Formats: sequence, structure tokens, C-alpha cells
Amino acid sequence: KAGVTQTPRYLIKTRGQQVTLSCSPISGHRSVSWYQQTPGQGLQFLFEYFSETQRNKGNFPGRFSGRQFSNSRSEMNVSTLELGDSALYLCASSWDLGRRYTFGSGTRLTVV
Amino acid sequence: EDKVVQSPLSLVVHEGDTVTLNCSYEVTNFRSLLWYKQEKKAPTFLFMLTSSGIEKKSGRLSSILDKKELFSILNITATQTGDSAVYLCAVGSGNTGKLIFGQGTTLQVKP
Repeated sequence: KAGVTQTPRYLIKTRGQQVTLSCSPISGHRSVSWYQQTPGQGLQFLFEYFSETQRNKGNFPGRFSGRQFSNSRSEMNVSTLELGDSALYLCASSWDLGRRYTFGSGTRLTVV
Repeated sequence: EDKVVQSPLSLVVHEGDTVTLNCSYEVTNFRSLLWYKQEKKAPTFLFMLTSSGIEKKSGRLSSILDKKELFSILNITATQTGDSAVYLCAVGSGNTGKLIFGQGTTLQVKP
């Protein structure tokens, strides 16, 4: 079965712009989580969704937001981009909360 | 504050060597500990451990959890160049999907 699909794979944006990243989980998976990975901070939890509800949020500013649709697909949005937002954004899905998570290949965001 | 610490941060070995990667944690309401391998982008799942003292094995890889001492180890025997990657340890807390990751151990296996 298809894995976790993230689009786009690469993105270059200018400071101050906003960006939307997409994640399609494995079919049947209802839980989707998002992580930011940088060389300095490693993988940091952004938020998780289960059945269209945000269940948990990490310690990121309000410029980072997300949502989940009825088909479990998820999007995350970053507004007013800053240079420090440059990172690999990873999405992970699981059939239920607290279970084994499968990661997508990520979206590499570069802010210039 | 919840934290997960991995050691060593990097390791260089030769093919055929055996390596042990360490992961210690301080996490409230521990639920599970997971190991992932990250080569290019997507971390790939290796093991999930929830019970203390039960070893999980998959080929040349094995892992065990000690919930009393709050640590886990990942062993790789007879290493191959294809084992070169970053190995990530993550801990799940409570009944949520949030994983707290360690910094990762970068393993390089030389021919």
C-alpha cells in the first residue's frame, strides 16, 4: 500500500510570505503528526490531528497552524515566514493515537 | 521538561563490527520507545518497545528497554555499509501521538 505522501518535496520562499504543505497519510490511518527537523534542534513536534481535531500542539508560535480533512489528509501552514523556518518538515501517520508512526519523505523548505 | 538523550552522537566503525547505541529518557507518563533509521529524508521504523526486559530482534538489529533505569539500547551486529545512517530514538508520552526525539546518533560504517 502507498506510504505517507508529502507535497511539495522542495520549496523556496521569501521572508514574509506564507506557505502551505500537504500530507496524505497511509490509507486507513486517522492520526497525523507534523515535525520540524533542523540540524541544530533535531526533530521537534509541531502538532497532531486525529479525526479532524487537533489533539496536541508543540511549542511553536501561532504562525504555525494546521488542519485535517475528513479523508485524514492534513495541511500545515506557516505565515510570515522567517529565515529560521528553513527546515525539513516531516509528516507521520498512524492508524490510532499513540501507535507506531510511519513518516513521509518530508518537504524541504528554504526561506531566503 | 521531557527529554531524550542519545549517545554517542556519532560513531565510525568498520564493516563487521558490532555497535551499541544508547538512549536515555526522562518523560512523564511514558508509553513507548521507538527506534527509527534516517538515511536521506524519511525516518524508517525499526522497533517499538513498551515492556521492560523484552528484546526485539530483526535480523542483525536488536533492541531492549529498561523501564526501571529509563534507557534503551540498539545493537547492530556484523555492520554493513548500508547501515550508515542517523539512528533516532523517540519516546511516546500518554495517549497522544506526540513523540519526543533524541538528537540522533550518526553511524558511519567504512568498508
